[in-house]
Amino acid sequence: DTGVSQNPRHKITKRGQNVTFRCDPISEHNRLYWYRQTLGQGPEFLTYFQNEAQLEKSRLLSDRFSAERPKGSFSTLEIQRTEQGDSAMYLCASSFRQGAEAFFGQGTRLTVV
Amino acid sequence: AQSVTQLDSHVSVSEGTPVLLRCNYSSSYSPSLFWYVQHPNKGLQLLLKYTSAATLVKGINGFEAEFKKSETSFHLTKPSAHMSDAAEYFCVVSDQDNDYKLSFGAGTTVTVRA
Repeated sequence: DTGVSQNPRHKITKRGQNVTFRCDPISEHNRLYWYRQTLGQGPEFLTYFQNEAQLEKSRLLSDRFSAERPKGSFSTLEIQRTEQGDSAMYLCASSFRQGAEAFFGQGTRLTVV
Repeated sequence: AQSVTQLDSHVSVSEGTPVLLRCNYSSSYSPSLFWYVQHPNKGLQLLLKYTSAATLVKGINGFEAEFKKSETSFHLTKPSAHMSDAAEYFCVVSDQDNDYKLSFGAGTTVTVRA
């Protein structure tokens, strides 16, 4: 068990470009969460999965954001037509079941220039 | 609906003195409560968790927290602060009403003076 893995760790992109992040959860963890964290703030919920099913997407999230978890294993988060306001740390977490503690990855820091 | 309020945005302590980080929550159901720590440029690490067992919970690095239902609080304490405790701390609530999604407080920054 190597923990939750996120790639890449850092991403710098030009405004208007698309980016995709990957999260590999702890094996056998059926819950997977995506959060976003900006400087000085607590993590903000984006979306989450129970196995391969996406259960909810934050209403604060624009249609430019999409996430998938094919086969209930790894997950990807894509941001289309990036904007400077998308610059943040994107965190992925997984848990064995609902209500259990979640384990977080190191995050992907996105900078949109 | 669940929510978390961390009562102090910043706490400064001297090395070797006690640390108290205050957290109040609201939840319609019996919640699960967690404290996470985030060191600069690092990921979130679980310090401890409360999931309806003992109300006094012991975690890593000498931290502990007490669940008080009557006060809807889950304060984090440590008897003696160490320089390595300087970090951001987050109180988190999870309950059935919100399908066990994690709701974070705004965080408390701890600085430790030598």
